[in-house]
Amino acid sequence: KQEVTQIPAALSVPEGENLVLNCSFTDSAIYNLQWFRQDPGKGLTSLLLIQSSQREQTSGRLNASLDKSSGRSTLYIAASQPGDSATYLCAVRPGSGNTGKLIFGQGTTLQVKP
Amino acid sequence: DAGITQSPRHKVTETGTPVTLRCHQTENHRYMYWYRQDPGHGLRLIHYSYGVKDTDKGEVSDGYSVSRSKTEDFLLTLESATSSQTSVYFCASRDTNTEAFFGQGTRLTVV
Repeated sequence: KQEVTQIPAALSVPEGENLVLNCSFTDSAIYNLQWFRQDPGKGLTSLLLIQSSQREQTSGRLNASLDKSSGRSTLYIAASQPGDSATYLCAVRPGSGNTGKLIFGQGTTLQVKP
Repeated sequence: DAGITQSPRHKVTETGTPVTLRCHQTENHRYMYWYRQDPGHGLRLIHYSYGVKDTDKGEVSDGYSVSRSKTEDFLLTLESATSSQTSVYFCASRDTNTEAFFGQGTRLTVV
């Protein structure tokens, strides 16, 4: 059974820092992995999708990497800003068994202090 | 973002009554999902659909049923609402091998 873990659960950093959020999964057989952002009381906003054949994806100050063999993905945020404060979630689509599902980690809540 | 809307956005209902939540997408996506989000539990999959009339259970499907008679609509029904089903419900959709998009959520309170 695929399980997704995000550590730490919460993170507080001063503005301007570069930071890394972690996502690990127990079964390396995945189709893809997606990173989302959720603001309080809001829905999820897609940030980046990495296919299993890719090693990384970039969008602006965000860079996501994928290492399937070790069951890990990282989301790198450069030059963090207070507006980056939100909960960040990762989700994997299993590559075996029931492949239609999206399985989420519990998220990392980020606070960027001015 | 993809056009995906949920209705209603807020609902208060009494224990024992049936409740139906609606998810509508305009992207012709094949897959649709219903999740619930609760403090300490994150997002948990209730049911999902991989095509019209094709659905499957998620990890917390007891007490819920779904229907998908058209590509664009995915309905979630609480057959007899209980207080444990008080939650925020999210719908999502995606196409094959594309990113998933989420609705804004429905806050359901069962009193």
